Amino acid sequence: DGGITQSPKYLFRKEGQNVTLSCEQNLNHDAMYWYRQDPGQGLRLIYYSQIVNDFQKGDIAEGYSVSREKKESFPLTVTSAQKNPTAFYLCASSSPKSGNKIDRPGNTIYFGEGSWLTVV
Amino acid sequence: GQQLNQSPQSMFIQEGEDVSMNCTSSSIFNTWLWYKQDPGEGPVLLIALYKAGELTSNGRLTAQFGITRKDSFLNISASIPSDVGIYFCAGQRRPYNTDKLIFGTGTRLQVFP
Repeated sequence: DGGITQSPKYLFRKEGQNVTLSCEQNLNHDAMYWYRQDPGQGLRLIYYSQIVNDFQKGDIAEGYSVSREKKESFPLTVTSAQKNPTAFYLCASSSPKSGNKIDRPGNTIYFGEGSWLTVV
Repeated sequence: GQQLNQSPQSMFIQEGEDVSMNCTSSSIFNTWLWYKQDPGEGPVLLIALYKAGELTSNGRLTAQFGITRKDSFLNISASIPSDVGIYFCAGQRRPYNTDKLIFGTGTRLQVFP
């Protein structure tokens, strides 16, 4: 089945450790994203990548790093510099909506099932 | 970072009632998306809107792209218990795959039998 796979679902990190969250998609989407969601809050963009070997900072990139070596994969590393990493992390991907010359293509984004990160 | 204004923040309704929620922005958007999130899961896309004035339905759900391009509405008719969750709007300012989505703050829906 096509989709976005995040792993692990649950992860515990000790103070001072770096951890990496995996995100893989087989939808052949060009763009991939990482969002952070705190309890009872909306989604905040950490990093996004429009194309392989290129990525941009989102609104809350400090303390995080990413790579985009393959189209299918966009791993997120939560570094020890991130002082409050406990949150729900969501990976997403998108591809432009195909349209005719009159309609402008739009962007539809699909999410993985999320990863819970807890600092212990 | 910018977030869209979404209202109401939460709703407590009885099964069978209709639900309306909306999302507004001070900027013009070219794409509006509506998502539902169940606890501990990723958001699932419900409806996507690409043209001002567009009205699109998905079962009991209907969403509209505001004519000013600064707002969008989601209606749920005849609510059922499985409608419980958090509903997010999301917008994109530019139409092509070159601009990130901006999310609303969410509407938490609770349905009582």
